[in-house]
Amino acid sequence: DQQVKQNSPSLSVQEGRISILNCDYTNSMFDYFLWYKKYPAEGPTFLISISSIKDKNEDGRFTVFLNKSAKHLSLHIVPSQPGDSAVYFCAAEGGANSKLTFGKGITLSVRP
Amino acid sequence: EAGVAQSPRYKIIEKRQSVAFWCNPISGHATLYWYQQILGQGPKLLIQFQNNGVVDDSQLPKDRFSAERLKGVDSTLKIQPAKLEDSAVYLCASSGRRYQETQYFGPGTRLLVL
Repeated sequence: DQQVKQNSPSLSVQEGRISILNCDYTNSMFDYFLWYKKYPAEGPTFLISISSIKDKNEDGRFTVFLNKSAKHLSLHIVPSQPGDSAVYFCAAEGGANSKLTFGKGITLSVRP
Repeated sequence: EAGVAQSPRYKIIEKRQSVAFWCNPISGHATLYWYQQILGQGPKLLIQFQNNGVVDDSQLPKDRFSAERLKGVDSTLKIQPAKLEDSAVYLCASSGRRYQETQYFGPGTRLLVL
C-alpha cells in the first residue's frame, strides 16, 4: 500500500522553463511534507518542506504547493537549470514520532 | 558543520555472509534513522533511535537485521545472514528531537549480495 505516490517516473524540460513535479498521498494523517533531491551515489538532500497549515512555501527558484482537499502537492522549479537534473523524492509524515514515508521518486532531466 | 558520515561506501558479499554498516550523525542530533533504498524505490525506514533508545523498528526484519546505538551517538546496522534481496543502498539520517525536524542523510552504503 503506497501512501505517497509519484506516478510519473521521469520528466524532461528545457533549461529556463518551469519544471512541475507532482505527488499524491492517501493518508489523511500526514501533516508535513518534504521534497528531497538526490544525485547519483549521494544521499538525499533536503530541498523544501511545507506544513499542512499552509498551501504554499517558496524558497528561491523552488515553490511547493499543497492542496489538502485533493491530497496533492507539487514542486515548481523556475527557471529550471541543468544542475537541477536529479531524482526528486516526495515525502510525508503525520503525528509525533511518525515515520517519514517516501514516494518512488521522479527523475528530472533539464536539457541545455 | 560536518554532515552524516557512513562507511563503507560500497560492499560486495555472498549470500549467507554477514555485513555491518557504520553511521556517525550530525553532532548534537538526538534522532538517528536507518533506511533501506532498493533500486527504483524510495527510502524505507528500518529503525529509528532517539538517543540510544529505539522509537520504531516495525519494518526491521529482526530475524536477520540488528542495529544498535550504544552511547547515543554513532550507530551500526548488521545483517546476518544476508540474502540476495538485501541488495540495496542503506542510508543513515539524523535530526534534532523537535517535531517536524528535517532529516539529513549520509551518502549511503551500496550493498550487493551475490
